[in-house]
Amino acid sequence: DAKTTQPPSMDCAEGRAANLPCNHSTISGNEYVYWYRQIHSQGPQYIIHGLKNNETNEMASLIITEDRKSSTLILPHATLRDTAVYYCIVNNSGGSNYKLTFGKGTLLTVNP
Amino acid sequence: DTAVSQTPKYLVTQMGNDKSIKCEQNLGHDTMYWYKQDSKKFLKIMFSYNNKELIINETVPNRFSPKSPDKAHLNLHINSLELGDSAVYFCASSRLAGGPSYEQYFGPGTRLTVT
Repeated sequence: DAKTTQPPSMDCAEGRAANLPCNHSTISGNEYVYWYRQIHSQGPQYIIHGLKNNETNEMASLIITEDRKSSTLILPHATLRDTAVYYCIVNNSGGSNYKLTFGKGTLLTVNP
Repeated sequence: DTAVSQTPKYLVTQMGNDKSIKCEQNLGHDTMYWYKQDSKKFLKIMFSYNNKELIINETVPNRFSPKSPDKAHLNLHINSLELGDSAVYFCASSRLAGGPSYEQYFGPGTRLTVT
């Protein structure tokens, strides 16, 4: 699986958009970009994933650059409950290797 | 209804003991996993099972033995517990990989403390 690079921490004001970057310059053509988050003392939670196109769901938007070497997770209106560690993961979901490889992630702190 | 449940939530035991952690998912998923999160917060996969068959074993000591009695359950048995086994253990499940919908659903975790 391709490696990812994320900033260790970010701050965001409550109600503002949180933009979390991720670099995955070695991503291969069949690898998806997944985002998970882990709120303190809870299990990781799936947020969103994408291959080439931008994606949006009820939680967030995922913007993937045209060359697919980086992506941005956008939480449009961050709340205090969005304070968590956010993990960007690239994975070939079409293969037999079903595991997720978690890095260090980005600790997002939403401030009142 | 809880999608992925684990019992117990907390487990405190002494070195050398044998203990089990149970996991159940009611999502109808085919694949289940065990992850370990150590004190430095790194989350690493230990095992995965697909339809009761072991498909991933990530260099875990053989004191750890997963058991899958059916597709909805994946239990983790640990023999001769050591101090270094202290961690939070997460169970997860997903649909069979091979398509775009590969999100994993995680349980609440079991905090194991070995004294």
